[in-house]
Amino acid sequence: DQQVKQNSPSLSVQEGRISILNCDYTNSMFDYFLWYKKYPAEGPTFLISISSIKDKNEDGRFTVFLNKSAKHLSLHIVPSQPGDSAVYFCAARISNSGYALNFGKGTSLLVTP
Amino acid sequence: DTAVSQTPKYLVTQMGNDKSIKCEQNLGHDTMYWYKQDSKKFLKIMFSYNNKELIINETVPNRFSPKSPDKAHLNLHINSLELGDSAVYFCASSRESTGANEKLFFGSGTQLSVL
Repeated sequence: DQQVKQNSPSLSVQEGRISILNCDYTNSMFDYFLWYKKYPAEGPTFLISISSIKDKNEDGRFTVFLNKSAKHLSLHIVPSQPGDSAVYFCAARISNSGYALNFGKGTSLLVTP
Repeated sequence: DTAVSQTPKYLVTQMGNDKSIKCEQNLGHDTMYWYKQDSKKFLKIMFSYNNKELIINETVPNRFSPKSPDKAHLNLHINSLELGDSAVYFCASSRESTGANEKLFFGSGTQLSVL
């Protein structure tokens, strides 16, 4: 009954290129989506978010795209840097529902020099 | 200053023991959470407290009991530990529980190993 799915457990990208991390969700009631980044031995830290009323949100090298009809979102990192190597979690929630964030199981990104 | 701090970072214990994990946040947030990351790497909500009141209690064995003495602290007590309790436990906080733009701030996790 996992409602947020990240089907790629890992991704390797060369420095300078684009990293694309994907996320699918099953609950059409989700209206707010977030990406978290996690380094080893640390807790996840907030990276970028998007409301369901938008289809794109950009913050520097990070852009999140939302396709509501496909229940799919993606995180683009351009250009990728070695310091971006981390585990990226997709999360979703239903606003004002009292329910907590639902997380995917993460995609491990490795950016090689 | 660490915004959300949890102790201990590592906890190794025998089956059947009782243990506690402490969490404190200095962000002035109203809501605190416990998440569990199991061997399959899913981050799953366990509990959520808003201003010391329990608001989310997922299907968690009653051996797990959260305690919130004030809104800056949410401790997790686990009785009669079992092998399956081995996981990384993350504490988190947010400004509010239901806001549209709620963002969670996480502690660095407690790796619990039950032998």
